[in-house]
Amino acid sequence: RKEVEQDPGPFNVPEGATVAFNCTYSNSASQSFFWYRQDCRKEPKLLMSVYSSGNEDGRFTAQLNRASQYISLLIRDSKLSDSATYLCVVKGSGNTPLVFGKGTRLSVIA
Amino acid sequence: GAGVSQSPSNKVTEKGKDVELRCDPISGHTALYWYRQRLGQGLEFLIYFQGNSAPDKSGLPSDRFSAERTGESVSTLTIQRTQQEDSAVYLCASSLGVAYEKLFFGSGTQLSVL
Repeated sequence: RKEVEQDPGPFNVPEGATVAFNCTYSNSASQSFFWYRQDCRKEPKLLMSVYSSGNEDGRFTAQLNRASQYISLLIRDSKLSDSATYLCVVKGSGNTPLVFGKGTRLSVIA
Repeated sequence: GAGVSQSPSNKVTEKGKDVELRCDPISGHTALYWYRQRLGQGLEFLIYFQGNSAPDKSGLPSDRFSAERTGESVSTLTIQRTQQEDSAVYLCASSLGVAYEKLFFGSGTQLSVL
């Protein structure tokens, strides 16, 4: 089983739609969780951290379910500029590297 | 510059040749990562440096791959006897350290092995 698994998509949605991405991780000792965004032929950039209590940043909401080892990202009122690949990222405790999922591709269509 | 700098941005080489890829992290960042991304694929962890600790080399795919870091500055990723399957974008990232998990990525080196 891969450490971090995501639905690769692509998700093709119209502008204004709500879309949700899911991610599961295998290491129950994982401590930190993130969503990164990668535009085509660009480097990844941090979108948001994911906390146990859930967190929201404008149109973006991230949730963590430690019992199910499951992370989600919800995007409301999708914009054309949201088109990108969304990477689920997990980190273990201590001096361990971040592990990236393969990403879910989103295309928002006018 | 203010960001992570990688060079060269593009490298074309012949199968069997050695290549060196360079990464200049953000000043003051103690953690440095190398990832590989093949076309249309996710990021594959290669190696991780954190301060003066022994590097985590668990992601290096073969003994043809090695990396060094001078103190908390420049890192070099070396691929010996390149193969066509080594063709990918090699991404370097740095962060302030273990407790600071926001990674800042360079724009990568596109390696093409002919």
